[in-house]
Amino acid sequence: DIQMTQSPSTLSASVGDRVTITCRASQSISSWLAWYQQRPGKAPKLLIYKASSLESGVPSRFSGSGSGTEFTLTISSLQSDDFATYYCQQYNSYYWTFGQGTKVEIK
Amino acid sequence: QVQLVESGGGVVQPGRSLRLSCAASGFTFSIYAMHWVRQAPGKGLEWVALISYDGTNKFYADSVRGRFTISRDNFKNTLYLQMSSLRVEDTAVYYCARWDSSSLKGIDYWGQGTLVTVSS
Repeated sequence: DIQMTQSPSTLSASVGDRVTITCRASQSISSWLAWYQQRPGKAPKLLIYKASSLESGVPSRFSGSGSGTEFTLTISSLQSDDFATYYCQQYNSYYWTFGQGTKVEIK
Repeated sequence: QVQLVESGGGVVQPGRSLRLSCAASGFTFSIYAMHWVRQAPGKGLEWVALISYDGTNKFYADSVRGRFTISRDNFKNTLYLQMSSLRVEDTAVYYCARWDSSSLKGIDYWGQGTLVTVSS
């Protein structure tokens, strides 16, 4: 199975900060990567798909990049709504896997 | 609007079985692949199983293969997860989720989840 490793596990930041989360795959997944945001007690929400495509309705401050085994999610200017946990997920094969998550906390 | 509503969760003893259901509405259920994803209390997301739009292809995580069975009824617009030989570590919120495999977007809609607690 393809393993997905996110870093950091926790990130402390302030409103207005630029934030970057990294996701590494144990083997090449081309661009078959999605990013999700999850708030406490809620279902995840799709932010980015195919590594860099912004889901409809998602603010443009969110962006994704990368291919192969290294990917990043960037929030250009953190807003109060963005304090949540973020997950990467590969869909290169039919056996999907998620990263362990990155919690973005208020500094 | 797209709705996915899970049901069937509850408290069950180790070794027993449970069947989850997910009622879909607001879209043409029969043309979408569907997933089950779970989340143990305080933990991250874990993919569980995938079924193709017509039910002919099924894929499972190693942790559940041989114990869980995903199925669907396209006439009833319902997704199922039959769970047997349940273990304490299967305790989690179980989400059903829609995958638009034609656009290859990832999961674009999730249910609200149903909690399964495996405990003696």
